[in-house]
Amino acid sequence: QSVLIQPPSASGTPGQRVNISCSGGSSNIGSNSVSWYLQLPGTAPKVLIYSNNQRPSGVPDRFSGSKSGTSASLAISGLQSDDEGDYYCATWDDRMKAVFGGGTKLVVL
Amino acid sequence: QVQLVESGGGVVQPGKSLRLSCAASGFPFSIYGMHWVRQTPGKGLEWVANIWSDGRNKYYADSVQGRFTVSRDNSDNTLYLQMTSLSADDTAVYYCARSQTPRGYGAFDIWGQGTLVIVSS
Repeated sequence: QSVLIQPPSASGTPGQRVNISCSGGSSNIGSNSVSWYLQLPGTAPKVLIYSNNQRPSGVPDRFSGSKSGTSASLAISGLQSDDEGDYYCATWDDRMKAVFGGGTKLVVL
Repeated sequence: QVQLVESGGGVVQPGKSLRLSCAASGFPFSIYGMHWVRQTPGKGLEWVANIWSDGRNKYYADSVQGRFTVSRDNSDNTLYLQMTSLSADDTAVYYCARSQTPRGYGAFDIWGQGTLVIVSS
């Protein structure tokens, strides 16, 4: 059981907007910034969002992040087939250890 | 280009030890905190360990505390993970990842391709 709770799956059709949630507690999300990662099949994870809502260069602005209290959310607009993969949220806890969500498998129908 | 390349994975018997390496290139290795993250086949990501840029502070997941040791050689741009008393639960792909900050906090912005460790008799 992961410290951060994500829905195991999400889906949408091309062009739609999808939201993926990440729920934690006061000792992790509540007091630290959240990052989001996409792992395509057979590859290493890649950062999509850092510091709750910042996009690294090269990440399309279709991806956006937000945080409120002890929860965070990743939004993907204009869904594309290439967006299929596993999405993970991550943050830190009050013992200076990183924690990940269990991951959400996104399917583009 | 900015790159992390892991090596040292393989098949190891339960109770034995193994050392993983991660060679960094394309960036000033000595100013970044570094991490090890693992992924059991078909499962999610699990953070394993963190080492500050100067190597002074190290942090471990509860699941590996006392068995794994993270270290780094800034003169050789290499990160290490010494794993002892291995069990089947340690079977996973092990990734090294760069932190955005010297102390390791923030996002993991660069990842290696991973090296597979299989613990089996």
